[in-house]
Amino acid sequence: EAGVAQSPRYKIIEKRQSVAFWCNPISGHATLYWYQQILGQGPKLLIQFQNNGVVDDSQLPKDRFSAERLKGVDSTLKIQPAKLEDSAVYLCASSPPGTRVGWETQYFGPGTRLLVL
Amino acid sequence: GESVGLHLPTLSVQEGDNSIINCAYSNSASDYFIWYKQESGKGPQFIIDIRSNMDKRQGQRVTVLLNKTVKHLSLQIAATQPGDSAVYFCAENRSGAGSYQLTFGKGTKLSVIP
Repeated sequence: EAGVAQSPRYKIIEKRQSVAFWCNPISGHATLYWYQQILGQGPKLLIQFQNNGVVDDSQLPKDRFSAERLKGVDSTLKIQPAKLEDSAVYLCASSPPGTRVGWETQYFGPGTRLLVL
Repeated sequence: GESVGLHLPTLSVQEGDNSIINCAYSNSASDYFIWYKQESGKGPQFIIDIRSNMDKRQGQRVTVLLNKTVKHLSLQIAATQPGDSAVYFCAENRSGAGSYQLTFGKGTKLSVIP
């Protein structure tokens, strides 16, 4: 079974530029997540989709971050404009339905490493 | 605020010995816990999970113990191998903003000495 795919793997941009990340979840996984992982820390949830609808975006900095999942499969995460503190690894994860809500296992992609100069 | 944390940031273990990685959580409402392994340059990899209606769960060379009384979680790795070297995160799934959120601890770096 193919895992979660992400691209690009690395990106270097200057502050105030825009950047977009792409994610393709595991086939059949209705739930998709975007996380930000700053060096030395655990991943922090940015946004969660159920099919093409947003379930939780409470921790997404909406003044500069946006995400969409138009057809309920692939997703893109955009940062516009980028700041120095956005330098991090952006992880995408997906999960199949669990036996009950809250028991879904999330499977992560390799991440996109972003460096903002 | 409530959070998931780890007692030890680094752990060095001799190859072949058993490893124990500990994690404390403070949200008594959390009922699902997961251990992830993250190797350098890779995303977190699922190792094992446990639900709050269980005290112990075993996988291949790994065992997770859950003590709800003291809100403590541990990951035991038997016969630790060089390939086990990585950062290990515990995570709890808890309700937030109308959905369940996976909240990660800071991670413990496991180094296996050949």
